Amino acid sequence: DAGITQSPRHKVTETGTPVTLRCHQTENHRYMYWYRQDPGHGLRLIHYSYGVKDTDKGEVSDGYSVSRSKTEDFLLTLESATSSQTSVYFCAITQGSGNTIYFGEGSWLTVV
Amino acid sequence: DQQVKQNSPSLSVQEGRISILNCDYTNSMFDYFLWYKKYPAEGPTFLISISSIKDKNEDGRFTVFLNKSAKHLSLHIVPSQPGDSAVYFCAAIIGGTSYGKLTFGQGTILTVHP
Repeated sequence: DAGITQSPRHKVTETGTPVTLRCHQTENHRYMYWYRQDPGHGLRLIHYSYGVKDTDKGEVSDGYSVSRSKTEDFLLTLESATSSQTSVYFCAITQGSGNTIYFGEGSWLTVV
Repeated sequence: DQQVKQNSPSLSVQEGRISILNCDYTNSMFDYFLWYKKYPAEGPTFLISISSIKDKNEDGRFTVFLNKSAKHLSLHIVPSQPGDSAVYFCAAIIGGTSYGKLTFGQGTILTVHP
């Protein structure tokens, strides 16, 4: 158990609306990540954070923004949701050596 | 450009037999490799990893083999159990500056029949 809580776990939203997914961790991990999982693509990195207010883009960052105002929370925002952003979103953290990441339970987002 | 590929979308094996899941990569800079298992409606869970300085790593029923010259790794599960039925993802990383930024394969669905 990596001590990660994602919310909401399931959400249906309309095209063009803003959506924020929250990742909360309780173990003071410095590094946090947002991945999305889609059929045929595996998991792809959206954004990551290496400390409070320190974030950077991953492989598929277009249409997403993130914020990390405190160590325990890493927020992923879809400013204007599109149907292509229908996906399962996983938050992850790094423990120990840093090469292994541990995932949360996932947030299922459907954009209609 | 898919740098990590799992060319078998699915694999079906009998309980007690060996399951072999394969993964190929193209980026020779990758120096650490991981396998994750994922059940439906859950997050991926870490299974086993291997550094590029090794060619084999074993943990209980799970063994990962790395062939750097062929840019190929495989996960062996012996003996396979019905509870092993899940999606398996291989992942790779360039150590050091790529801290935690994994590149994943597409996944292989393993079904173990009783």
